[in-house]
Amino acid sequence: AQSVTQPDIHITVSEGASLELRCNYSYGATPYLFWYVQSPGQGLQLLLKYFSGDTLVQGIKGFEAEFKRSQSSFNLRKPSVHWSDAAEYFCAVGGRGGADGLTFGKGTHLIIQP
Amino acid sequence: ETGVTQSPTHLIKTRGQQVTLRCSSQSGHNTVSWYQQALGQGPQFIFQYYREEENGRGNFPPRFSGLQFPNYSSELNVNALELDDSALYLCASSLGGIGSYEQYFGPGTRLTVT
Repeated sequence: AQSVTQPDIHITVSEGASLELRCNYSYGATPYLFWYVQSPGQGLQLLLKYFSGDTLVQGIKGFEAEFKRSQSSFNLRKPSVHWSDAAEYFCAVGGRGGADGLTFGKGTHLIIQP
Repeated sequence: ETGVTQSPTHLIKTRGQQVTLRCSSQSGHNTVSWYQQALGQGPQFIFQYYREEENGRGNFPPRFSGLQFPNYSSELNVNALELDDSALYLCASSLGGIGSYEQYFGPGTRLTVT
């Protein structure tokens, strides 16, 4: 069965500093990988996705993520965070086949310090 | 382009009652997935509908059921509500049925069971 681990429950970063959110997945083949962001009381917004090809993917709002097969990781990065980036971030994996939907991690709560 | 919409926004029900939640998919999308997000957790896949048929199902009991209509809108029905059913219910639409994981989420319905 596929699974996702986000080791950091909370992360605090100063505004303007760089950010890296960790994600490890478990899946038997090459997965589809996603990062979503959720603001309080809101649904999920897709930040970026990896299906195949270039292992460094660019997303919206200046985010990027790198797929590392050897480490089963898909970490999210941003060079300089803004106060508006404060939110809950979810990593998700989907297997080829479709019937299992997306499997999400428990999320990382990002706090931005002024 | 119209995004995913869900109704109602909030709902309070009593244990043992039944509830119906509604979702309108993004324009042009023919697949709808439902997720349950308990407080402080990541979303969990309930089931997916494609061309009006259940396409896949997560680890949820049969009292969770759904429908998809010819216009691709969808309903989630939960019978015999339990206190643990209190959660944010998210609907996501996508294009392409099986294998299509680029899912776009609605704002959710907050269900409280007392």
